[in-house]
Parts: sequence; C-alpha cells; structure tokens
Amino acid sequence: AQTVTQSQPEMSVQEAETVTLSCTYDTSESNYYLFWYKQPPSRQMILVIRQEAYKQQNATENRFSVNFQKAAKSFSLKISDSQLGDTAMYFCAFMRENTGNQFYFGTGTSLTVIP
Amino acid sequence: EAQVTQNPRYLITVTGKKLTVTCSQNMNHEYMSWYRQDPGLGLRQIYYSMNVEVTDKGDVPEGYKVSRKEKRNFPLILESPSPNQTSLYFCASSRTGTNQPQHFGDGTRLSIL
Repeated sequence: AQTVTQSQPEMSVQEAETVTLSCTYDTSESNYYLFWYKQPPSRQMILVIRQEAYKQQNATENRFSVNFQKAAKSFSLKISDSQLGDTAMYFCAFMRENTGNQFYFGTGTSLTVIP
Repeated sequence: EAQVTQNPRYLITVTGKKLTVTCSQNMNHEYMSWYRQDPGLGLRQIYYSMNVEVTDKGDVPEGYKVSRKEKRNFPLILESPSPNQTSLYFCASSRTGTNQPQHFGDGTRLSIL
C-alpha cells in the first residue's frame, strides 16, 4: 500500500515570508506522480502543483515550488511571498503510474498566514 | 464551465434512512471517484470508476454503494447510514492516463444523527 505522510498538522507564516510544507511518501514504484492540493475555508480542492517522478527538475508555479528528492521520497512545497489568501489546508497526494488515477492523500497541513 | 457538481451540499438525516449524493461532471472524464474527509485522516477513497459500468472499491468502501450507468454521473448511495458516516464527502473526476490531476466537486457535508 502507498502511504503519504505530512508531519506538520499546523503551520503559520508571516505575510510576505516564505514557508515550506513537508511531505514524504512510501512506494516501491519507480515512476509515479505527486501533487499538492489547497483547500481554503470554502472547502474547494484546488490543484496547486504537480511533479512527475521521472523529471529531475523541480516543478514551479508562480510563488509555489517543490523540492522533490526522489531517493529520500520527499516532496516539500515552498510558498514564497506568502499572501493572506494562501491560508488553507494543504494536501500532498501520490498517484502510481498505470493504476487508473488512484490517488493517495496525506493527512494535511493547516497553514495560517498572519498579517 | 468545466465542473464537478455534487448535491446536496449539506444534509442532516437520521440513522437508517437511505440517502443518495449525486455527482455529475461535464468534462467527459472517464475516471470518477468518491472520497471522505475526516479531521486528522485526510481524504480517503471510498469507490472509484474507470468508465461506465466499471467500479471498484477504494480504501473505505464499507457501508457505501456506487453506480456508473452513464459517463457523466457517479452517485454515492448510503443504504443504511450510521453516525460514523458523518463526514465531508468529495466527488472527483479526471481523464484516464498518467499525470492527470483530479477535479473536485465542492463537497457535501453529511451529518447522520
């Protein structure tokens, strides 16, 4: 079974500062896909960023970037220049290749951006 | 607008009274899935469907049923709801194939008394 671990239940960051959310996973697969989803108080699930395991280059989407360490099975999310709208629950998710899009989610990190 | 629509958004009901949560997507996605979200547990998959008439169990299928008679619809059925099924439920859909993110509905808050 695949497991995804987010060891930080809650975090906070000052507005305009940088914060890193951690995620580790356990798999014996060589190729897979990793995602970060954001869930604001509105409860919507919003895709933030994705990473293919076979790509060495870390994915970046505007202020969001990842640090993907395949050997360590680590997939952290860095949010730069934090904004009040970044306050949300963040979920890390893992998808194996060729499994019919079955996702495995971590337990989430609640991030609060402090003005 | 591309979307996944769940109904109802909120429901309070009593133990044993059958209920159905509907899910519909307008993106012609083959894959659909149901999750429940509970504090400290993240999202756990209940059932998923790779295509019409193809469904399979996820990690927590007990007490739930699904059907996929049409590509766009994937209802979640609780035949005899119990209080431990009080949760926030999400429907999601995606194209099949690798690297396809899931698109989520807005969630359904179910309270079983």
